[in-house]
Amino acid sequence: EVQLVESGGGMIQPGGSLRLSCAASDLTVRTNYMSWVRQAPGKGLEWVSIIFHEASGGTTYYADSVKGRFAISRDNSRNTLYLQMNSLRTEDTAVYYCARVALWTTVTTFDYWGQGTLVTVSS
Amino acid sequence: DIQMTQSPSSLSASVGDSVTITCRASQSISSFLNWYQQKPGKAPKLLIYAASSFQSGVPSRFSGSGSGTEFTLTITSLQPEDFATYYCQQSYSHPMYTFGQGTKLEIK
Repeated sequence: EVQLVESGGGMIQPGGSLRLSCAASDLTVRTNYMSWVRQAPGKGLEWVSIIFHEASGGTTYYADSVKGRFAISRDNSRNTLYLQMNSLRTEDTAVYYCARVALWTTVTTFDYWGQGTLVTVSS
Repeated sequence: DIQMTQSPSSLSASVGDSVTITCRASQSISSFLNWYQQKPGKAPKLLIYAASSFQSGVPSRFSGSGSGTEFTLTITSLQPEDFATYYCQQSYSHPMYTFGQGTKLEIK
């Protein structure tokens, strides 16, 4: 059974940095497209970032709201996805989910999700 | 950027009722549209992909339709476990994605 387990969340002051981890089991991060999606308290879902699988060069993309501040990466030896978050703002407060991105012929979906980790940016 | 707008934002219904949720895209997205269900404190769950295809294990009372800019999610014969928040998501602009704002389905 595929499992994605996020960790690394917590409370941080504005301007600070945090690194989130997403450990995968029964799924190889290296050979999959992987994403981060966040959800502010009481709000909807917002796509944050994606990393292509190794065969596609590991290309990364970011939402405009985090571009230049966040960096997605993976450690193949640990089968773990990361999100390095710098220059954090209060509006980055959210539950952060990692998700596997499944590419079908007709659509792309988020088909496996972790349980989420809460990041609170506050002074 | 493609904007996704769901309506209504919330609705109340009773067990056994049928409900329809609408999702509109700011431009044509063909059938690149997915639906998710989210319960409080839980991760979203994929229900429908490519506008009308069922994810494995999803009950047949859920159905999706539409193409272009207008899509619907219909739930017939509502069950207690269906009360949740539903999100649409477009993947036309892969690898940049957007979700609708969500529709909260509550028990009347």
